[in-house]
Amino acid sequence: DAKTTQPTSMDCAEGRAANLPCNHSTISGNEYVYWYRQIHSQGPQYIIHGLKNNETNEMASLIITEDRKSSTLILPHATLRDTAVYYCIVRVGHYGQNFVFGPGTRLSVLP
Amino acid sequence: GAVVSQHPSWVICKSGTSVKIECRSLDFQATTMFWYRQFPKQSLMLMATSNEGSKATYEQGVEKDKFLINHASLTLSTLTVTSAHPEDSSFYICSARDLRPIGGPPYSLHFGNGTRLTVT
Repeated sequence: DAKTTQPTSMDCAEGRAANLPCNHSTISGNEYVYWYRQIHSQGPQYIIHGLKNNETNEMASLIITEDRKSSTLILPHATLRDTAVYYCIVRVGHYGQNFVFGPGTRLSVLP
Repeated sequence: GAVVSQHPSWVICKSGTSVKIECRSLDFQATTMFWYRQFPKQSLMLMATSNEGSKATYEQGVEKDKFLINHASLTLSTLTVTSAHPEDSSFYICSARDLRPIGGPPYSLHFGNGTRLTVT
């Protein structure tokens, strides 16, 4: 699975958009980009995933560059409850290995 | 959506005793479950892959005789920490793969809420 790099930490003001970047320059054509988050002392929670096209759901939007070497997770109106560690994971979307978690980005939403 | 229930959510035990942690998929069948360990301010580290009806596959450096895994049914996997020591104190998280997710990502992973183990 392709390796990802994310900033260690980010701050965001409550009510503003939080943009979390992820680099995955070695991604291959059949690998999906997944985003999970982990709120303190809880298990990871699925947010969104994508292959090539931008995606949006009730939680977030995922913007994937045309060359697929990077992506951005957007939380349009961050709340205090969005404070968490966000993990960007790239893996093949078929029955295979587990998800490998990197250090992630610690997002702090400030009042 | 798919739910994975992990029990207990926290446990305190004395050094030398054994602790069993249960991981259940509540509304889907999971032939494969994963067990992770997470130390404070660190990311999740895979310990082992649990396969229903067969032996678990352990990651390098994880003692299979210390961390016993049983996956006896399509909805239940258990992790037993045997002869626990203070250095085994950690946050243990299980996940299960939903083979036929509805509206979710391909072969999506669903996580339990973790078990905080403290060995005194």
